[in-house]
Amino acid sequence: GAGVSQSPSNKVTEKGKDVELRCDPISGHTALYWYRQSLGQGLEFLIYFQGNSAPDKSGLPSDRFSAERTGGSVSTLTIQRTQQEDSAVYLCASSFATENTEAFFGQGTRLTVV
Amino acid sequence: ILNVEQSPQSLHVQEGDSTNFTCSFPSSNFYALHWYRWETAKSPEALFVMTLNGDEKKKGRISATLNTKEGYSYLYIKGSQPEDSATYLCASPNTGNQFYFGTGTSLTVIP
Repeated sequence: GAGVSQSPSNKVTEKGKDVELRCDPISGHTALYWYRQSLGQGLEFLIYFQGNSAPDKSGLPSDRFSAERTGGSVSTLTIQRTQQEDSAVYLCASSFATENTEAFFGQGTRLTVV
Repeated sequence: ILNVEQSPQSLHVQEGDSTNFTCSFPSSNFYALHWYRWETAKSPEALFVMTLNGDEKKKGRISATLNTKEGYSYLYIKGSQPEDSATYLCASPNTGNQFYFGTGTSLTVIP
């Protein structure tokens, strides 16, 4: 596709339910990032995929969070047993794997846990 | 982990005023500095990618400078317009190309 695509754009879920967020990066981009922005907060790093290397999961806030990237393309972020503090905008970005090329962001998924 | 900081956290200016804000980053093992603009209900979009000390980039009324020796970058907006209202983010990648973002400067331009 032309840009980074995320789905769903909005998700309202009940506390305790599992959710899956999807990211379709730009074709050819080997690097994929997940960030989130909670209300009033900055952009928080969650996880980073780079080609076939082991992902950097250092930003995942708890073991309820996991992510995978299949075939070096589509990525899903899974949150198990959602809590109200998980409510945030979850952003995915992709880029070529060089530091002097920009990251392209998706429109984000707004997750609300009620 | 790279400690990227931005100041101020928020800024309100009158239409027509010029303004600037700061991004600071570790000067050791520097690779690049990115600026992004994040408008409400949209996704962040890249403004500048800067790699060289002393670099200065310009896009319309917006420009940025880079000092890699002291670890800071300035973003300038000349003659602010309401459409400039957004959160401005800077990010610095580490050796593995993982981006570390600052918390952003929220700019509101008052008509």
